[in-house]
Amino acid sequence: GQQVMQIPQYQHVQEGEDFTTYCNSSTTLSNIQWYKQRPGGHPVFLIQLVKSGEVKKQKRLTFQFGEAKKNSSLHITATQTTDVGTYFCAGSLNNAGKSTFGDGTTLTVKP
Amino acid sequence: DTGVSQNPRHKITKRGQNVTFRCDPISEHNRLYWYRQTLGQGPEFLTYFQNEAQLEKSRLLSDRFSAERPKGSFSTLEIQRTEQGDSAMYLCASSRTPGSPYEQYFGPGTRLTVT
Repeated sequence: GQQVMQIPQYQHVQEGEDFTTYCNSSTTLSNIQWYKQRPGGHPVFLIQLVKSGEVKKQKRLTFQFGEAKKNSSLHITATQTTDVGTYFCAGSLNNAGKSTFGDGTTLTVKP
Repeated sequence: DTGVSQNPRHKITKRGQNVTFRCDPISEHNRLYWYRQTLGQGPEFLTYFQNEAQLEKSRLLSDRFSAERPKGSFSTLEIQRTEQGDSAMYLCASSRTPGSPYEQYFGPGTRLTVT
């Protein structure tokens, strides 16, 4: 079945440093979504990427979808303590209804 | 927009008992999803509905699990003869199609502990 893998599992950074998490799918995706889950909270939708090679920005967050639509990345510039949490990617096939989530990258930020 | 709500928030049950959870989606959302999440893992897809129709159910899901959405609004997830391995956070999410079917809004979850 479809698998979505994320690396790294954990990332510890000093406040102000950059952070990147990578998402890889075993199959070509129709679209990919990114979510953030704060400690003790529930996943919150951040963005959806659909087009091959697509790049989207949200303030300090930059999201990319690979040319082959099998990988994606999330980059945070100049991390802040409010960025702490687990970032999940979720991939969907052939415009099917469900998404397959990766196991996330947990970001901790040291002030 | 009152968000997705789930009840109860916590459930402790003994092995072998049946449990039922409820999810109320965002009112205008026609898709409703159930996920299970354990510590250190991402949400694991269980099933989803579009209106009252159950469109997909995970092949990993035991026959002890059943979900309903009888009127296309709230949904229930029942686990029969619970096992310790069922202990997890059960998350519900909703979305709208056409429009943004993959923009899922999650509820706070129901934490199940099976003793």
